[in-house]
Amino acid sequence: DQQVKQNSPSLSVQEGRISILNCDYTNSMFDYFLWYKKYPAEGPTFLISISSIKDKNEDGRFTVFLNKSAKHLSLHIVPSQPGDSAVYFCAALVEGYGNKLVFGAGTILRVKS
Amino acid sequence: DAGVTQSPTHLIKTRGQQVTLRCSPKSGHDTVSWYQQALGQGPQFIFQYYEEEERQRGNFPDRFSGHQFPNYSSELNVNALLLGDSALYLCASSLSPKISGANVLTFGAGSRLTVL
Repeated sequence: DQQVKQNSPSLSVQEGRISILNCDYTNSMFDYFLWYKKYPAEGPTFLISISSIKDKNEDGRFTVFLNKSAKHLSLHIVPSQPGDSAVYFCAALVEGYGNKLVFGAGTILRVKS
Repeated sequence: DAGVTQSPTHLIKTRGQQVTLRCSPKSGHDTVSWYQQALGQGPQFIFQYYEEEERQRGNFPDRFSGHQFPNYSSELNVNALLLGDSALYLCASSLSPKISGANVLTFGAGSRLTVL
């Protein structure tokens, strides 16, 4: 039962353009959605999160949009830089004691210079 | 400020053997979670430890067990290894057991286990 899905295994974008990474979920009980970035040989690092009561959260070049009716969220990176090339994981959680993150399979982003 | 450290970074075992992976949480964190990341997949939750007790468990068999020590460090043990246990094992720490958008997980680089 895949509750969080990232249907695009990879995405290639030109430097300076916008990168849009998508994520769909099935569990309407999720309270938070998070994006993690992972470089090879490193652990995932937290990028940005959004509460289920919000529809947008922005942090510098990174913006996450949440569409609860469609059970869909997206991460926008503007402008994209070569250093953004990494695997991006969408994750979700139900707030509570001892809770866990549910991850998607990840999207490989390649930013070409 | 050291982040989450894991050891060993790589190891190779054969089917039926047992393995122990170790994790030291980020300074100031008291909760440790373990995740398994198989090739081409996202991390999957194994369990969470807080106050030296297992607080939550994912859909993993009893062959997977853990321990948390008084200094908050943790071990993951896997018995009777199967080929399908080959994966990257990630340890993550947090300020408390209640993960949220404000209290996020900090991950280590992982231990790559290969079972032959």
